Amino acid sequence: GAVVSQHPSWVICKSGTSVKIECRSLDFQATTMFWYRQFPKQSLMLMATSNEGSKATYEQGVEKDKFLINHASLTLSTLTVTSAHPEDSSFYICSASGPSSYNEQFFGPGTRLTVL
Amino acid sequence: KQEVTQIPAALSVPEGENLVLNCSFTDSAIYNLQWFRQDPGKGLTSLLLIQSSQREQTSGRLNASLDKSSGRSTLYIAASQPGDSATYLCAVRRRSGGFKTIFGAGTRLFVKA
Repeated sequence: GAVVSQHPSWVICKSGTSVKIECRSLDFQATTMFWYRQFPKQSLMLMATSNEGSKATYEQGVEKDKFLINHASLTLSTLTVTSAHPEDSSFYICSASGPSSYNEQFFGPGTRLTVL
Repeated sequence: KQEVTQIPAALSVPEGENLVLNCSFTDSAIYNLQWFRQDPGKGLTSLLLIQSSQREQTSGRLNASLDKSSGRSTLYIAASQPGDSATYLCAVRRRSGGFKTIFGAGTRLFVKA
């Protein structure tokens, strides 16, 4: 299957700083990317959907000014957690799918964010 | 609104037992249903993907079925092994609303040696 990478795999930061997480599709063009958040012992919750070249669509309850998403190319999407606080500590996972809506979603390995 | 429910929430079985994990969803208008495995602190490993036009998929000791009309899927694991211990997630990709994927809460499986 197609490969999606995330960088970094883990990050520790101080409260108030911003953190950027990258999601890359390595061997296919991802017209749509999804960002998920997973708290300990809970399932994945969709945060936002991004299409290449357009603004992301955020799920209800997700602050778009806090979680900035950029999908500038067909292989890269970034999630920036601005002014991070301890409650933002979580496991962030991205997924990507190709041009057809029938295409399978491929998931990245996740990024563990810890805010001190 | 699509909701995905997984039963049981947790399961502990002795090694060698055959077992069934259940997933139900409220909206039958789906593109596909996917089963994942997640080890503690790790990402997702895709196990089986069933397109909406299919009724089942098999891979090794795993078999997943899909009944769209009743909104149900089952994951059958044959001859369970301690290495199968993990959380199993069911995910449904919607046909509408941006083709989003909605996850169930998962079933935590522990296989005792």
